[in-house]
Amino acid sequence: AAGVIQSPRHLIKEKRETATLKCYPIPRHDTVYWYQQGPGQDPQFLISFYEKMQSDKGSIPDRFSAQQFSDYHSELNMSSLELGDSALYFCASSLNQNIQYFGAGTRLSVL
Amino acid sequence: AQKVTQAQTEISVVEKEDVTLDCVYETRDTTYYLFWYKQPPSGELVFLIRRNSFDEQNEISGRYSWNFQKSTSSFNFTITASQVVDSAVYFCALSEAERDDKIIFGKGTRLHILP
Repeated sequence: AAGVIQSPRHLIKEKRETATLKCYPIPRHDTVYWYQQGPGQDPQFLISFYEKMQSDKGSIPDRFSAQQFSDYHSELNMSSLELGDSALYFCASSLNQNIQYFGAGTRLSVL
Repeated sequence: AQKVTQAQTEISVVEKEDVTLDCVYETRDTTYYLFWYKQPPSGELVFLIRRNSFDEQNEISGRYSWNFQKSTSSFNFTITASQVVDSAVYFCALSEAERDDKIIFGKGTRLHILP
């Protein structure tokens, strides 16, 4: 069965650069969630979209923005990157806000 | 406020032993979901189970079993006859059922199964 696809899997950036993470949900899923997991930490909710509209927002920095497109894929844009942004970024998708299935994650390293 | 507490930071057991991972949660909602996720060393988050607050039946899936007790706000996870492949970080988590918009994770329990 198709799963949540995240790209890229690994990303290395320098401080103050920008990064764009992409998420392709499971086909027919209408809700996308973004989570950030710092080293040795639990995943923290950033933001979610339902039917292309933002549905909830967590502790997402103002330097980050996200959107869900007409084909339901989502992108997380991160600007003015800081060392502390180094983390594993997960995208999850669900149908009708049901069980969330997670992608393999994008590991972002900011040097 | 919602909160999930996994008091066991790290557990080591010898292969074939049974092990129980504890989870205690707090919520003001009467309707909510509880989850367990597994995160192996490769990093992905693997969904194991979701239980809603009205379903207190214990569940068994192969070597895995879950004990949900609303009276003590606990949702414990037991692995029977553990195997080396069970080594991972296990997260207990909670979400509000009505919106189910975000999952609140516990800090995780790192489980080492020693051969």
